[in-house]
Amino acid sequence: GQSLEQPSEVTAVEGAIVQINCTYQTSGFYGLSWYQQHDGGAPTFLSYNALDGLEETGRFSSFLSRSDSYGYLLLQELQMKDSASYFCAVKTGTGGGNKLTFGTGTQLKVEL
Amino acid sequence: GAGVSQSPSNKVTEKGKDVELRCDPISGHTALYWYRQSLGQGLEFLIYFQGNSAPDKSGLPSDRFSAERTGGSVSTLTIQRTQQEDSAVYLCASSPDRPSSYEQYFGPGTRLTVT
Repeated sequence: GQSLEQPSEVTAVEGAIVQINCTYQTSGFYGLSWYQQHDGGAPTFLSYNALDGLEETGRFSSFLSRSDSYGYLLLQELQMKDSASYFCAVKTGTGGGNKLTFGTGTQLKVEL
Repeated sequence: GAGVSQSPSNKVTEKGKDVELRCDPISGHTALYWYRQSLGQGLEFLIYFQGNSAPDKSGLPSDRFSAERTGGSVSTLTIQRTQQEDSAVYLCASSPDRPSSYEQYFGPGTRLTVT
């Protein structure tokens, strides 16, 4: 089966750095994605790691260690608008358009 | 260009009735997915269409759920004899057909309430 574990909730102050961890157990693995979802909104893509290491996109970075079945999303210079749910998701097949298995999500609250 | 659209945005139905939810993917995207998200929960995979291949129906929770995709574009998710536990937001996503494809583009969802 497939399972992904994330903390349910994280709170941080504006301007700080926060790390959201994700551990996974899946049959087949081709990459780890992160999605952001604001309340009442659609999930939007943030980042993708197929290989070990750190990927940086502006204030957001994502890390993957395939040997540890572990990844994290790092958010720097937190802003109030970053308050949202963050989901990790595993891609379990090659080729275009493979389904993703999502974690249960981490609700990030950014406070003043 | 236009994103993924879904209709209706909200649907209230009585227990036992059938409902149809529609998804219009991004033009040219050959992969289409349906997910269900209950309040405060993650996304639960339901079904996946990829081009002309047989759909992956492994996530459908019961035989009351079915989906079709006509002409490789628009998709309809049908729930028969709805139950209260079917209440959730139903999300559709699409993606391009490339080996390097990894990003899914989500629609705004249909909020289904079964009374």
